Amino acid sequence: GEDVEQSLFLSVREGDSSVINCTYTDSSSTYLYWYKQEPGAGLQLLTYIFSNMDMKQDQRLTVLLNKKDKHLSLRIADTQTGDSAIYFCAERSDYKLSFGAGTTVTVRA
Amino acid sequence: DTAVSQTPKYLVTQMGNDKSIKCEQNLGHDTMYWYKQDSKKFLKIMFSYNNKELIINETVPNRFSPKSPDKAHLNLHINSLELGDSAVYFCASSQPGANTEAFFGQGTRLTVV
Repeated sequence: GEDVEQSLFLSVREGDSSVINCTYTDSSSTYLYWYKQEPGAGLQLLTYIFSNMDMKQDQRLTVLLNKKDKHLSLRIADTQTGDSAIYFCAERSDYKLSFGAGTTVTVRA
Repeated sequence: DTAVSQTPKYLVTQMGNDKSIKCEQNLGHDTMYWYKQDSKKFLKIMFSYNNKELIINETVPNRFSPKSPDKAHLNLHINSLELGDSAVYFCASSQPGANTEAFFGQGTRLTVV
């Protein structure tokens, strides 16, 4: 998506933390989302954050939001082989989700 | 029970043909979407409907015609298929509003030869 940008690839060792970064442009976005897509599958919502929050933690996932810089990140603690997938950040309006290009995360043993 | 289901899962067809992809959701949502994912995995919205009415049409060619017979269905008909139409098409649904989760179908992989 032209309004949401992500780095395209990330390689991480099993057990390490993964950090996926995203920048967005629409300052009016109230909710920002992270989706996961495994090979050959649809999109699964991982987590989301409301724009008045700086951080949200959900088990191994931590989302950080810097609203001033329009920067969003997703940290996955203790990355496992099952975390290998494409991760999309997305900004939401009432009738539309605008996605970034997706970050392909590869977990190596 | 599958929340958002699309059929078929795979579709291989020749250039110039007309084909349809069906989508149904059993979540009681008012809003449905079609997204296209190209070979580089970019996801781009094509259409969104709310209560059977077209809300967003993101400069999609006229060869693509969505049809929503009721709130639970949003079908995508494509005329005169072209090679560039080859992609994975995802249907999704949600309630309206920026704080609602969108649920996605498993996708339809369309290959035009």
